[in-house]
Amino acid sequence: GQQVMQIPQYQHVQEGEDFTTYCNSSTTLSNIQWYKQRPGGHPVFLIQLVKSGEVKKQKRLTFQFGEAKKNSSLHITATQTTDVGTYFCALSGSARQLTFGSGTQLTVLP
Amino acid sequence: DADVTQTPRNRITKTGKRIMLECSQTKGHDRMYWYRQDPGLGLQLIYYSFDVKDINKGEISDGYSVSRQAQAKFSLSLESAIPNQTALYFCATSTGGWQPQHFGDGTRLSIL
Repeated sequence: GQQVMQIPQYQHVQEGEDFTTYCNSSTTLSNIQWYKQRPGGHPVFLIQLVKSGEVKKQKRLTFQFGEAKKNSSLHITATQTTDVGTYFCALSGSARQLTFGSGTQLTVLP
Repeated sequence: DADVTQTPRNRITKTGKRIMLECSQTKGHDRMYWYRQDPGLGLQLIYYSFDVKDINKGEISDGYSVSRQAQAKFSLSLESAIPNQTALYFCATSTGGWQPQHFGDGTRLSIL
């Protein structure tokens, strides 16, 4: 079946530092989604990438889809304490459902 | 999302008991999902339903069953609960295709 690797599993940064999480798939994807889960909360959809090499920005967040559509990254510039949470990628599977990565838990130290 | 409601929010029960977790939605979405979340393992799909008559097993369906009573309601049952089913359970909905999923607030289940 489809495999997804998300790294790192944990990341601690000082407020103001940048942060990046990576998601890698064993197969070529039709699209990829990113979600954020705040501590004690539920996953919330952030964005979907569809095109090869696509780059999308949401304020300080930059999302990129690899040229081969097998990997993606989420980069946060100048982290803030409000960025704390776990970031998940979710891959489009062959059986009409999403496969979620294991997530990257971000801690931002003030 | 308040549009996706899970009950109960918390449940503590004993090994061997039958448990039902309920999910209802007012979003009008056809697709509904049940996920399990364990620390460090992300979200694992238990069952999913694309409409009332289309129910499918996910990657970890053993020990679980579901019922799609109506478009708006999707229940998850543990027929005979065991301690390693202790986890956080999420229900989610979507409109179709690869549209974003909308999650409920979760049910924290502890089996002693």
